[in-house]
Amino acid sequence: DGGITQSPKYLFRKEGQNVTLSCEQNLNHDAMYWYRQDPGQGLRLIYYSQIVNDFQKGDIAEGYSVSREKKESFPLTVTSAQKNPTAFYLCASSKYTGDPYNEQFFGPGTRLTVL
Amino acid sequence: KNEVEQSPQNLTAQEGEFITINCSYSVGISALHWLQQHPGGGIVSLFMLSSGKKKHGRLIATINIQEKHSSLHITASHPRDSAVYICAVRDDMRFGAGTRLTVKP
Repeated sequence: DGGITQSPKYLFRKEGQNVTLSCEQNLNHDAMYWYRQDPGQGLRLIYYSQIVNDFQKGDIAEGYSVSREKKESFPLTVTSAQKNPTAFYLCASSKYTGDPYNEQFFGPGTRLTVL
Repeated sequence: KNEVEQSPQNLTAQEGEFITINCSYSVGISALHWLQQHPGGGIVSLFMLSSGKKKHGRLIATINIQEKHSSLHITASHPRDSAVYICAVRDDMRFGAGTRLTVKP
């Protein structure tokens, strides 16, 4: 079955620690995205990648970093510089970016809680 | 950048009722997407609209490009329709805050 996997589903970390969230897709999609979701707010774009070894900042990139070494994988690191990291993180992919008709496919999400 | 507004924020209905969720945006777009987020957090795509109307089962989505407005309708609502419904402008990856729908038996 094709799809997007994120792990873990729940993640707890102490304040000041970096943490990496995993995102893998086997849909052969070129574009991948990371979003953050907070209660009462729409999804906000953190980073996106159109192709391997290339990525662009979204609206709220500060305190986050990404890599795209393989087409299938787009891990997100939440660094200690992120002031309010507790949130629900969603990874998505689509065939292309820049095409508004292109459907996005979402992973199940990772709920990060920083204690 | 587009501002995407949804209303209502929360909606409670009795089973069988007709539901309408609204979405408006501030800047002209090429396409708008309606998404459904299940209680566990997973999101699935319901519709992509660039004009007119689309229907899938009990779900109907409409868009008026000139008025910058889209609606999602659910006919004969059922408790399994309970979810958060989100509209999204893919042109600049902007999302509404979502409408939390609860359908009571």
